[in-house]
Amino acid sequence: SQQGEEDPQALSIQEGENATMNCSYKTSINNLQWYRQNSGRGLVHLILIRSNEREKHSGRLRVTLDTSKKSSSLLITASRAADTASYFCATGTGNQFYFGTGTSLTVIP
Amino acid sequence: SQTIHQWPATLVQPVGSPLSLECTVEGTSNPNLYWYRQAAGRGLQLLFYSVGIGQISSEVPQNLSASRPQDRQFILSSKKLLLSDSGFYLCAWSVGYSNQPQHFGDGTRLSIL
Repeated sequence: SQQGEEDPQALSIQEGENATMNCSYKTSINNLQWYRQNSGRGLVHLILIRSNEREKHSGRLRVTLDTSKKSSSLLITASRAADTASYFCATGTGNQFYFGTGTSLTVIP
Repeated sequence: SQTIHQWPATLVQPVGSPLSLECTVEGTSNPNLYWYRQAAGRGLQLLFYSVGIGQISSEVPQNLSASRPQDRQFILSSKKLLLSDSGFYLCAWSVGYSNQPQHFGDGTRLSIL
């Protein structure tokens, strides 16, 4: 399968703490993307990291990519209750994208 | 700015009935278009994608089909729905070259009775 797999499946933290989610994949990729999904809604793109990049930042988000290990991590710093959502990684090759099963993050106020 | 519209938001259909879900994009030309299905508590499964009018690629064999009659219109159809077709259907678009993010609609919740 070309899908990524996120780990952990579920994560519960206190507001203000950092949240780290991991993604592993199996095939060669052009890029890896992270998305967020609030319950019952569509996905929202967070950040894209290309295969020749190792780290990328966007606000409170930090993404790393290790192509030798075929893995990526998403770090959300200083979490807020509004960060409660499911987070998915997606691997892209050409015009196709394959999503993982997601990490459900709960941030407790 | 670009927007994507998907409708209806929810749909309840009997087994064996036909299906037509529509997705339209505004504010961009020649987008790549995608249909995904998400089972409850699961990830997204890519069903179809299209890089141009009349060009449809299918990822998973099933009783669903897709069509792209216009540049910014993508339709998901079925002649006879199965119970297993229940799920959350999401349409997305991206700019038509690689290393670009996808932009999603709000989805259609389809329940088959």
